[in-house]
Amino acid sequence: AQSVAQPEDQVNVAEGNPLTVKCTYSVSGNPYLFWYVQYPNRGLQFLLKYITGDNLVKGSYGFEAEFNKSQTSFHLKKPSALVSDSALYFCAVRSYGNNRLAFGKGNQVVVIP
Amino acid sequence: GAVVSQHPSWVICKSGTSVKIECRSLDFQATTMFWYRQFPKQSLMLMATSNEGSKATYEQGVEKDKFLINHASLTLSTLTVTSAHPEDSSFYICSAAGTLNEQFFGPGTRLTVL
Repeated sequence: AQSVAQPEDQVNVAEGNPLTVKCTYSVSGNPYLFWYVQYPNRGLQFLLKYITGDNLVKGSYGFEAEFNKSQTSFHLKKPSALVSDSALYFCAVRSYGNNRLAFGKGNQVVVIP
Repeated sequence: GAVVSQHPSWVICKSGTSVKIECRSLDFQATTMFWYRQFPKQSLMLMATSNEGSKATYEQGVEKDKFLINHASLTLSTLTVTSAHPEDSSFYICSAAGTLNEQFFGPGTRLTVL
């Protein structure tokens, strides 16, 4: 079985401050990890993924995430948040050879001007 | 990058009618397509997985006779909500996966059943 936990419902951050959205996962075997962002009434936009290699992954719009195998985490970070980063963020995981993604519940990020 | 489209982007229908939603991979061939349902401010719930030329695999609790899925080609899958009722109102999102199993998501379809 594969699952994702996003422990916080909402993350509030002031514009210009660092943004962190937490994600922990559970999967058999090596994980493939993803972050997506969703704006109201829109589909999911891909931000970044970890498959193998460097634990620090850089993605779109200045976002990055760090894969930590010992803590089974894949937290999303951005050094300086923008108001336009306010959206719903989803972490997802799948194992090698499994084409089905398991999504977390999502985190609403609110960036305060 | 890979682009997935959905049509229509929104639809309003009367209770008892059927609605068809199309999902197309525009610049790649999708061996597998997925259909998700999303309630407001909630996560995506996988409804079914479809492979080109074969029957869809439905998740537990999803009625296959109500949510008909057809994956007739490597670029097109359709979801038909039959005899729609207000409780079927939701945001439906498809995704398409190529040979590397990476999913690319469509923009979603907002269904409102009156």
